[in-house]
Amino acid sequence: QQQVKQSPQSLIVQKGGISIINCAYENTAFDYFPWYQQFPGKGPALLIAIRPDVSEKKEGRFTISFNKSAKQFSLHIMDSQPGDSATYFCAARYNTDKLIFGTGTRLQVFP
Amino acid sequence: KAGVTQTPRYLIKTRGQQVTLSCSPISGHRSVSWYQQTPGQGLQFLFEYFSETQRNKGNFPGRFSGRQFSNSRSEMNVSTLELGDSALYLCASSRDLAKNIQYFGAGTRLSVL
Repeated sequence: QQQVKQSPQSLIVQKGGISIINCAYENTAFDYFPWYQQFPGKGPALLIAIRPDVSEKKEGRFTISFNKSAKQFSLHIMDSQPGDSATYFCAARYNTDKLIFGTGTRLQVFP
Repeated sequence: KAGVTQTPRYLIKTRGQQVTLSCSPISGHRSVSWYQQTPGQGLQFLFEYFSETQRNKGNFPGRFSGRQFSNSRSEMNVSTLELGDSALYLCASSRDLAKNIQYFGAGTRLSVL
């Protein structure tokens, strides 16, 4: 099944809180899992990515947690800031060159 | 280094018309992918071109077509426009087919009336 299910559709977090976005997949052939961040009026931009042989990757306040057995991965944004307000897309790659995106999560961080 | 450039940024058409969107990738990038973005549907893959050849195609009707030129610039065409074609169309370029990182343009907002 070439599908990535993303939740929640929208998320409201207070400044300083933790934002968590989840994605689930079925295809065990996926070999690369990037997250993209999109600000209004802009195209998506790569935020952070992980390969399935790693359980966690951290870059600054952004962390991907990967659970291979559960076929789930999630993005954690620590100390969320109003500037993090954007739409976040998870994605998964298969057959080396095909990328499937989740449906997106609109994050709003209020001061 | 210039980013991915999409033109025009906004477009208003009526049902039945056709439209052509343009994408200039980052210099040196040979892969250009097109996506349709709508609320609730996320990014739906349309097609990908690499070295002037269509390499991958999504599940869109034949009214959606594209091409890539020798300088890697790409165009997509939608014929016989329908109201449901209203969306943000995004172009993304990458150096190769592996898509370790794709660079997106700001998109073309198409409204079909």
